[in-house]
This record gives sequence, structure tokens and C-alpha cells, in this order.
Amino acid sequence: DIRMTQSPSTLSASIGDRVTITCRASQNIDYWLAWYQQKPGRAPKLLIYKESYLQNGVPSRFGGSGSGTQFTLTISSLQADDFATYYCQQYSSFPFTFGQGTKLDIK
Amino acid sequence: QITLRESGPRLVRPTQTLTLTCSFSGFSLGTPGVGVGWIRQPPRRAPEWLALIYWDDDVRYTSSLKNRLTITKYTSRNQVVLKMTNMAPVDTATYFCVHTSTSTAGDIWGQGTLVSVSS
Repeated sequence: DIRMTQSPSTLSASIGDRVTITCRASQNIDYWLAWYQQKPGRAPKLLIYKESYLQNGVPSRFGGSGSGTQFTLTISSLQADDFATYYCQQYSSFPFTFGQGTKLDIK
Repeated sequence: QITLRESGPRLVRPTQTLTLTCSFSGFSLGTPGVGVGWIRQPPRRAPEWLALIYWDDDVRYTSSLKNRLTITKYTSRNQVVLKMTNMAPVDTATYFCVHTSTSTAGDIWGQGTLVSVSS
């Protein structure tokens, strides 16, 4: 199975900050990488697919980049609604696998 | 608009078989490129893929659970059923069904159903 490693595990930031979350794959996954946002008691919500494509309805302050084994989710200016847990997921080969998550909380 | 909804028991006894049904609307599992999968998420942990069935009956299972899982589609009824045998307390989790496409693996999720395994 492909292992996905996210960093950091937790991140404290303020409204208006630019934040970056990193995800590393244990082998090459090309661009088959998605990012999700999850709030307590809710299903994960797709933000980014195929490494950098913004899902319909997702604000443009979210952006994805990278390729191969190293990927980044960037939130350009944090809003109150963005405090949540974020997961990366590879879907290059089954079983598709998630990172362990990054909890973004208010500083 | 695509929607999915999971249904099934909230409590299962150890060694029993769990049967979950995903009922969906807004798409057909007969459409090329489309799939429906099952993902579970134990409390305070990351999600974990379990199984995936494609429009052409191609089926994938996570290797660690392959012997316990069966996924079946009922295209005309817009349903996908997951069976998991020999349930144990470690299988306690929220179980989600998701829509997949040629570009995504989980663009739309059901609300999830919490399944507890306890005697």
C-alpha cells in the first residue's frame, strides 16, 4: 500500500494567515492526489483533485501543487470557516490511502 | 445533484456480519467511469478505504480486509451493498459511501453511519 505522510499534524494560525500543509507519498503517484477538509461530525469535503484542480464551489484561496511524491495545500488567507482537519488522499492505486490528517486551529 | 445515503444497523455484535446499503441519486452506476466506494473512519482517526465497485463490475478491496468484504451493485435500484463478516470491536467506525469518477475518488460523500461493535 502507498503510505501518505502529512505534516504538520497540528497547526495553529490566525485569521488572514497564509498556511501550507505538506503531504508526501511513499512512491510516485503522478498527480493522483486529493485534499479534503473535515469538520467534527461531518463527512470530508473535497477541496482539490488531481493535485491542483479546485472542486466546484471551493473558494479560490485554496490551492494545490506538487507532483510525484511531494504535494502542498496552501490557504492564501485564512478565514474563520477554514479551521478544521485536512487530509490528503492518493488515488493512484488501490487501496487509495489517506494521510493521518492536519488539524488547523486558531492561534 | 448527486446524493448518497448509507443505511444499516447502528449496533452489531462481535462475530456477526454487517450489511450496509448505499442508496444514491443523481447518477447511474451504468455510466462509464463511475464508481461507488466504501470508506470507514474510526473515532479520531483518518479515513480508510474498504472497497470500490465500478460501472463495469470491476471490484477492488483493501488487502487487509479482502477476506471479509463483499461489495455488490444493483444498478437498476441505484444501490450498492457492502457486507463485512466477523465483525469485531476494532471495526467500530463511521462508514461512508462515496461517488467516484475518472477524475476523482470521493467527490461526493454520504453523511455516514456510525456502526458500533459491542456485546
